[in-house]
Amino acid sequence: EIVMTQSPATLSVSPGERATLSCRASQSVSSNLAWYQQKPGQAPRLLIYGASTRATGIPARFSGSGSGTEFTLTISSLQSEDFAVYYCQQYNNWPPDTFGQGTRLEIK
Amino acid sequence: EVQLVESGGGLVQPGGSLRLSCAASGFSFSSYAMSWVRQAPGKGLEWVSGISGSGGSTYYADSVKGRFTISRDNSKNTLYLQMNSLRAEDTAVYYCAKHYSGRYADAFDIWGQGTMVTVSS
Repeated sequence: EIVMTQSPATLSVSPGERATLSCRASQSVSSNLAWYQQKPGQAPRLLIYGASTRATGIPARFSGSGSGTEFTLTISSLQSEDFAVYYCQQYNNWPPDTFGQGTRLEIK
Repeated sequence: EVQLVESGGGLVQPGGSLRLSCAASGFSFSSYAMSWVRQAPGKGLEWVSGISGSGGSTYYADSVKGRFTISRDNSKNTLYLQMNSLRAEDTAVYYCAKHYSGRYADAFDIWGQGTMVTVSS
């Protein structure tokens, strides 16, 4: 089973600043990686798939990069609605699809 | 509108059973693989089970293998999760999720609102 490790666990950033979230896979997942955003009491929302392709309706301030074992989600200028928990997921080696433990993005 | 609506959650005693349903609308249900993902209170996301569009292939996490059964009725646009021999550690919000493209290995682009399952005496 591939283990996904996200860092940091919590990230404190001021509105308008850039946020960079990391996700590492225990072995290569090629570009078969997705990022999700989850707000309290809500279902996860797909942001990025294929490591770098934004899902439908996702603002351009969200971008994904990386391949193999190292991945990054960047939010270029944080808006108030972006403060949430973010998860990465690999879907290259399944079952199981595996998720990272999440990064909580909080207001500084 | 593309939508998934789960139902069937509730309180059940350890060792009991429950069947979750996920009603799909707004897309060609039989063309897409589907999965169940759960989230224990205050915890992260855990993939539980997946099924191909035809229903001919099913997959399970080791933690539920032999106890849970995923199925689908494409004539009713509905996904199911039969959960038997429930344990306290199965307590979670259960989400159904649509795979993004026609292949199984893909991200999950549509999620339901979730249904809570509580296993407790």
